Amino acid sequence: DQQVKQNSPSLSVQEGRISILNCDYTNSMFDYFLWYKKYPAEGPTFLISISSIKDKNEDGRFTVFLNKSAKHLSLHIVPSQPGDSAVYFCAANYGGSQGNLIFGKGTKLSVKP
Amino acid sequence: KAGVTQTPRYLIKTRGQQVTLSCSPISGHRSVSWYQQTPGQGLQFLFEYFSETQRNKGNFPGRFSGRQFSNSRSEMNVSTLELGDSALYLCASIEGTNTGELFFGEGSRLTVL
Repeated sequence: DQQVKQNSPSLSVQEGRISILNCDYTNSMFDYFLWYKKYPAEGPTFLISISSIKDKNEDGRFTVFLNKSAKHLSLHIVPSQPGDSAVYFCAANYGGSQGNLIFGKGTKLSVKP
Repeated sequence: KAGVTQTPRYLIKTRGQQVTLSCSPISGHRSVSWYQQTPGQGLQFLFEYFSETQRNKGNFPGRFSGRQFSNSRSEMNVSTLELGDSALYLCASIEGTNTGELFFGEGSRLTVL
């Protein structure tokens, strides 16, 4: 039973436009939600996170929105750049288990010049 | 500060063999987690170690084991390899906050023939 779901395996966006990556979860006990970016042949790198007590967190071009009632979060990238092309993983954890992240299966973002 | 170092980067084994993978976390980090990444399942949590003690374990068979040494370096072992064990094995170093931010190595790519 997948607790964190990314229903779109891929997304293609034009350079300069907004990229919106979505993630749904089922467990209301999650404390933190995170987004990781992964390039081929590299490990995932942390992008941005949000606490379950907030509904928005912003870091430069990246903004994460959390809708707890819908158990849904999204990552907005504005403006999108070709270097953003990567696989994006949504993840969640319980506060008492910081090393145990529950990951979605990822969304491959392609940003076209 | 050096990042997370995983060795070997690539290896090929045959069914029935065993394999040992190594991970050196970021200096000062006392916790490490291991993940298996496969195309169909995404990233799945294997185990987490803190100060030489296993703190959490994922839903993997007993063929998968790990340990952590006093210098925080960690190893994981897979015995009696199966074709389905072919995957990218990722080690993550944990800073110690509760936010879930992990620092991943580049992974060890295991192919089982």
